[in-house]
Amino acid sequence: EVHLVESGGGLVKPGGSLRLSCAASGFSFSSYAMNWVRQAPGKGLEWVSSISSTSSFIFYADSLKGRFTISRDNANNSLFLQINSLRAEDTAVYYCAREATTGMDWGQGTLVTVSS
Amino acid sequence: QSVLTQPPSASGTPGQRVTISCSGSSSNIGDNYVYWYQQLPGMAPKVLIYRNNQRPSGVPDRFSGSKSGTSASLAISGLRSEDEADYYCAAWDDSLSGFWVFGGGTKLTVL
Repeated sequence: EVHLVESGGGLVKPGGSLRLSCAASGFSFSSYAMNWVRQAPGKGLEWVSSISSTSSFIFYADSLKGRFTISRDNANNSLFLQINSLRAEDTAVYYCAREATTGMDWGQGTLVTVSS
Repeated sequence: QSVLTQPPSASGTPGQRVTISCSGSSSNIGDNYVYWYQQLPGMAPKVLIYRNNQRPSGVPDRFSGSKSGTSASLAISGLRSEDEADYYCAAWDDSLSGFWVFGGGTKLTVL
């Protein structure tokens, strides 16, 4: 069974940084592209970034380029998202999602709150 | 404003059939598969339909998906109270360097 557990969220001041992690288990992590998708409180889903299985291809939402960096460690079945220069509008639940031919499989999410 | 357009709300009574539309463009729905996700209150999204009209194992056949041109739709027949949730369509968009796009979501209320 696919199991994805995000961590690293919390309360951070505007301008601060955070590194989110996603621990994967139950599948061959190194064989799948992975994504980060976020959801602001009471709002819809917003795709943030994708990384291919070998990190050869990386994509970002245009509006977020420059502040977000996705990476992965296949040896340790982990996905990461570095977020810099955090803004109030980055407040959201951040989901880690495996990209399969059958669609995305999601973790339970980690809440990032940006507030002074 | 989302790249894929969905109605913000839909409703039906138990046993009814409801459909949720999703409108896009040639660079996303027109050229790529459509996925539908269900998000129950307080939960993470779950895939309901993949590759336009395929159901993962465990998803009841009351749920069906279709696609025509640059639009797609999700149909739910035999509506049940537990179907009350938010529904999102999604597709890969080939424009620029490529990115996933989601609809704004449709809140389904079972009356």
